[in-house]
Amino acid sequence: AQTVTQSQPEMSVQEAETVTLSCTYDTSESNYYLFWYKQPPSRQMILVIRQEAYKQQNATENRFSVNFQKAAKSFSLKISDSQLGDTAMYFCAFMKLGYGNKLVFGAGTILRVKS
Amino acid sequence: DGGITQSPKYLFRKEGQNVTLSCEQNLNHDAMYWYRQDPGQGLRLIYYSQIVNDFQKGDIAEGYSVSREKKESFPLTVTSAQKNPTAFYLCASRDLSRTGPNTGELFFGEGSRLTVL
Repeated sequence: AQTVTQSQPEMSVQEAETVTLSCTYDTSESNYYLFWYKQPPSRQMILVIRQEAYKQQNATENRFSVNFQKAAKSFSLKISDSQLGDTAMYFCAFMKLGYGNKLVFGAGTILRVKS
Repeated sequence: DGGITQSPKYLFRKEGQNVTLSCEQNLNHDAMYWYRQDPGQGLRLIYYSQIVNDFQKGDIAEGYSVSREKKESFPLTVTSAQKNPTAFYLCASRDLSRTGPNTGELFFGEGSRLTVL
């Protein structure tokens, strides 16, 4: 079974600075997807960024980028130019390829952006 | 607008009662999921369904039941057998026909908070 570990329960960052959230996972699969989801105080979960394991290039979405290290099974999220609206719980998630496979989530990291 | 609607947003239950949480989606998604969220434990899968009239247990199915009689609806019943039901419950859906860069994305409802009195 796959597991996802987020070792940082809480983090804080000053507005406009950069922060990196860590995620490691355990799997014997070679083809899979990794995700970062954001849950703001409103509790509405939204997708931040997605990475396909077969792609060596790290995914980027505006201020959000990942550092995907397949051999090390590491998938960290970097947030540049942090904004107050980035304050949220961030979840790392894993999904192996195949019809109907479900996502496995980590425990989450609370990020607080300070002004 | 397309999306997922969960109701009620807040629900209080007395011990020994069964309660049902509603989840409706108009995204025409094949798969639907129920997750439970507790502080420090992330999201844990309760049940999921990939097709009408079929569903599978997730990691913490004991004390819960579901049905999938219609593609757009996936209600969750929290039974009296669930020993610690106070939690935040999230429903999600996914389009299984998506491939390539859109694969795998879950769309979530706004959640339902259940409190046992």
